[in-house]
Amino acid sequence: KNEVEQSPQNLTAQEGEFITINCSYSVGISALHWLQQHPGGGIVSLFMLSSGKKKHGRLIATINIQEKHSSLHITASHPRDSAVYICAVGDDKIIFGKGTRLHILP
Amino acid sequence: EAQVTQNPRYLITVTGKKLTVTCSQNMNHEYMSWYRQDPGLGLRQIYYSMNVEVTDKGDVPEGYKVSRKEKRNFPLILESPSPNQTSLYFCASSFIPPASYEQYFGPGTRLTVT
Repeated sequence: KNEVEQSPQNLTAQEGEFITINCSYSVGISALHWLQQHPGGGIVSLFMLSSGKKKHGRLIATINIQEKHSSLHITASHPRDSAVYICAVGDDKIIFGKGTRLHILP
Repeated sequence: EAQVTQNPRYLITVTGKKLTVTCSQNMNHEYMSWYRQDPGLGLRQIYYSMNVEVTDKGDVPEGYKVSRKEKRNFPLILESPSPNQTSLYFCASSFIPPASYEQYFGPGTRLTVT
């Protein structure tokens, strides 16, 4: 059974700091997803990664398939980045990490 | 507008009273799925469907039923709800395979069973 571990569980940082959230999984996958859940509860997809690195604005996601590890980075963090970030893996059955609650202080 | 809709958004009910949460998508997605989200446990998959008339169990299917008679709809049925099914429920859809495509999530249904 695939296990997905995220770290840290909670993260508080000052505006402008560089943020890293990590996700590790236990079995081989074809792709990994990063999701964002704002305090209002809605969930949106940020990235789908099968190899290498993707960038969207201030968000960067990387994956190392051999090491079974992915990271989500936020550069120049802003209070509006405050949210829960969730990684997910699976080809049909989807397994999620428990999420990282990020709070950016102004 | 491409979207996944869920109804109702909020529901308070009593133990044993059958209920259905509807889910509909307008993107012609083959894959649809139901998840529940609980504090400390995160998101967990209840059931998923790879296409019409094809459904399969996720990690926590006990106490739930689903059907996929049409491509756009994937209702979640609780035939005899219990308090441990109090949770926030999300429906989602994507093209297949879901690993290769973005999943679109509904707004969520907050269910309380007393």
